[in-house]
Amino acid sequence: ETGVTQTPRHLVMGMTNKKSLKCEQHLGHNAMYWYKQSAKKPLELMFVYNFKEQTENNSVPSRFSPECPNSSHLFLHLHTLQPEDSALYLCASSQPAWGLTDTQYFGPGTRLTVL
Amino acid sequence: AQKVTQAQTEISVVEKEDVTLDCVYETRDTTYYLFWYKQPPSGELVFLIRRNSFDEQNEISGRYSWNFQKSTSSFNFTITASQVVDSAVYFCALSALGDNTDKLIFGTGTRLQVFP
Repeated sequence: ETGVTQTPRHLVMGMTNKKSLKCEQHLGHNAMYWYKQSAKKPLELMFVYNFKEQTENNSVPSRFSPECPNSSHLFLHLHTLQPEDSALYLCASSQPAWGLTDTQYFGPGTRLTVL
Repeated sequence: AQKVTQAQTEISVVEKEDVTLDCVYETRDTTYYLFWYKQPPSGELVFLIRRNSFDEQNEISGRYSWNFQKSTSSFNFTITASQVVDSAVYFCALSALGDNTDKLIFGTGTRLQVFP
């Protein structure tokens, strides 16, 4: 595998389900990101991790819970989501970012539909 | 405040036409990066170029070229002899040192459709 991979690519879940999105990067980076891309809205940064430590949380509802066990893996745990959470969730990685973000490389995304 | 404006929401061209995608940015910082990404229908954002604020040289890569002008705070992207495979949404983005955040500020994107 090369670059940034995400699984699953598509996910349909009910509002009471619990699911997780997985991201893995093979680029030797130490910073990882979750973004949300809704139809007709700009890309929204959700979370940032540098060296496994969360350094940014952009006021994301607690029904989204990130986990970064090591610099190569990033998870987004989902529970009791709302239909408006349906979106494309993109993972990205970069060299450590300390205020001047280096080039971020993106995965293919998970297309999430909440029924 | 940092901001990126892509005023063109959608552009349609016929194959082999040249097309320019505009990007205007706002920042008070003197140290920053500018980026262009391509998002084809598959969804993945593909990195195209990064420019730092101290390098105003224009860049050419095959059919792609970028024109960075600090005087007008613009970082425009031109595709020469467009092809159907160029159809995608293109995003311009900014990262500024004084922002004290790891955020990439994205524009709203320009959807390019190239017809055969």
